[in-house]
Amino acid sequence: DIVLTQSPASLAVSLGQRATISCKASQSVDYDGDSYMNWYQQKPGQPPKLLIYAASNLESGIPARFSGSGSGTDFTLNIHPVEEEDAATYYCQQSNEDPYTFGGGTKLEIK
Amino acid sequence: DVKLVESGGGLVKPGGSLKLSCAASGFTFSSYTMSWVRQTPEKRLEWVATISSAGSYTYYPDSVKGRFTISRDNAKNTLYLQMSSLKSEDTAMYYCTRDYYYGSRYYFDCWGQGTTLTVSS
Repeated sequence: DIVLTQSPASLAVSLGQRATISCKASQSVDYDGDSYMNWYQQKPGQPPKLLIYAASNLESGIPARFSGSGSGTDFTLNIHPVEEEDAATYYCQQSNEDPYTFGGGTKLEIK
Repeated sequence: DVKLVESGGGLVKPGGSLKLSCAASGFTFSSYTMSWVRQTPEKRLEWVATISSAGSYTYYPDSVKGRFTISRDNAKNTLYLQMSSLKSEDTAMYYCTRDYYYGSRYYFDCWGQGTTLTVSS
């Protein structure tokens, strides 16, 4: 199974600054020119919400301050500028290989 | 708007069985692959099962293979998860998801609000 390791486990970022979350996969999640890493946001009491698919594609309706990058085994979610409403837990997930797996999550606090 | 509404969760004894349902609306259900994803009390997310749009193909991780069965009724716009031989580690919030195809793979683009399963004696 592909293991996804997120870092940091938690971070606190000042309003308007940049939040950077890393996700490292135990093996490549690339296939045929695409990187199958997805990012989700989850707020307390709510289901996860898709932010980014295939490493860098912004889901419809998601603000442009969210961006994703990376390929192979190293991926990053950036949020800039951070807003109050971005306080949440963020998860990466790979869909390149069965079984689909998720990272352990990164909790973002807004200072 | 896409809507996924799960139901059927509850308290079950170890070794017991339960069937979850997910009512879908706001999109052409029969055109989409669908999945179940669970979230443990420790907030870990785990993929549980996937079914193709016509129901011809199903996929499971080893942790539930042989115990869980995903199915669908496209006439009723409903997804199901039959769970048997339940263990305490199956305790979780179970989410129904719609799977969107991009490139040559899928991602979970819409999620329901979830239904809770507790396995305890």
